[in-house]
Amino acid sequence: SAVISQKPSRDICQRGTSLTIQCQVDSQVTMMFWYRQQPGQSLTLIATANQGSEATYESGFVIDKFPISRPNLTFSTLTVSNMSPEDSSIYLCSTGGTYTDTQYFGPGTRLTVL
Amino acid sequence: KQEVTQIPAALSVPEGENLVLNCSFTDSAIYNLQWFRQDPGKGLTSLLLIQSSQREQTSGRLNASLDKSSGRSTLYIAASQPGDSATYLCAVEAGTALIFGKGTTLSVSS
Repeated sequence: SAVISQKPSRDICQRGTSLTIQCQVDSQVTMMFWYRQQPGQSLTLIATANQGSEATYESGFVIDKFPISRPNLTFSTLTVSNMSPEDSSIYLCSTGGTYTDTQYFGPGTRLTVL
Repeated sequence: KQEVTQIPAALSVPEGENLVLNCSFTDSAIYNLQWFRQDPGKGLTSLLLIQSSQREQTSGRLNASLDKSSGRSTLYIAASQPGDSATYLCAVEAGTALIFGKGTTLSVSS
């Protein structure tokens, strides 16, 4: 199992600014994932972050908007750049998820953009 | 493209009732199906994981079934309690990431 913490837990930001969300895992993991949950919607994968390589982004998400760092095997950050109200969502990081093991999720970061 | 649908979107029941949440998916080529519980401010908690070769999994008052050929799963909750109130998410794993449904928000009244 893995215990994941995220900072900040919530934030209210102004349009045009950027926010960096931190994700810390209590053990070394190979893959980390970043998801977005817009109001009333399902969780959508933004990108997969492996240590030592560039993050892999899903369709509809680009590095300029959501740059990701993965400096070591226990930590990752997601930046939401040049924010607009449409970026208001819960952002969650996760890890784990082999075919027989569940993924473990952080508590999420609730972002509101005014 | 894999799509996951959950019905109903919301459900309110009195304490003690047995209930069923439904999940359907469009592509049967999955590795597993998972049920999560989401509580506000607490992220997601894994409830049950059913591998593609399995038909069901049980944990306490929860029982999840999987019919991969028809693209359906159900989560059965027995003797519901107010503490079961949460949003329940179904997700399928087809690669390394999960594809989620929108969830069923359950409210159990005492």
